Amino acid sequence: AQSVTQLGSHVSVSEGALVLLRCNYSSSVPPYLFWYVQYPNQGLQLLLKYTSAATLVKGINGFEAEFKKSETSFHLTKPSAHMSDAAEYFCAVSAANTGNQFYFGTGTSLTVIP
Amino acid sequence: EAGVAQSPRYKIIEKRQSVAFWCNPISGHATLYWYQQILGQGPKLLIQFQNNGVVDDSQLPKDRFSAERLKGVDSTLKIQPAKLEDSAVYLCASSRPQQGGETQYFGPGTRLLVL
Repeated sequence: AQSVTQLGSHVSVSEGALVLLRCNYSSSVPPYLFWYVQYPNQGLQLLLKYTSAATLVKGINGFEAEFKKSETSFHLTKPSAHMSDAAEYFCAVSAANTGNQFYFGTGTSLTVIP
Repeated sequence: EAGVAQSPRYKIIEKRQSVAFWCNPISGHATLYWYQQILGQGPKLLIQFQNNGVVDDSQLPKDRFSAERLKGVDSTLKIQPAKLEDSAVYLCASSRPQQGGETQYFGPGTRLLVL
């Protein structure tokens, strides 16, 4: 089975500062990893996904994430936060042997301080 | 390409009443998912369909929840009777087969409040 742990349910950064949202996964087989963003009263929008092609994955809106197998991590970063980045962020893991079911973390709420 | 459509967007009911949610997936997506997202938590899978067959409904409270996807396209999720703890956002997602992990595309959700 797979699972995801997101450290820090709330993260605050100043506008222009580095954004770092942490995600650690557990999987007995090679995982697929995803980051989604959820704005208030909206569904989840895909930011990026890891599928084993490259360990550093670039996504939309300037976000990127690095897959580190030795640390079982898939942290999300952005060099410079914008006010529009304020949202809820979810990490998810899936694998081919579980029917590509998603297992989500509990989410991290990002606040950007002007 | 149109996204996943859901209706209604908001619903307020009293406990013990029934309610139904509708989802239309992205055209051509064979797999459809229903999730429950309680405030402050990540989405939890309720049921997964492949075309009109159920792949996994192990976390669906079958004494009160039911779902169907009769023609393998749109789907309905029903709660009868509703309880206070059913207050949540119900998300529908769809996906299609692809190499390297299927991406799920989510609708805007239906926000349910049970009073």
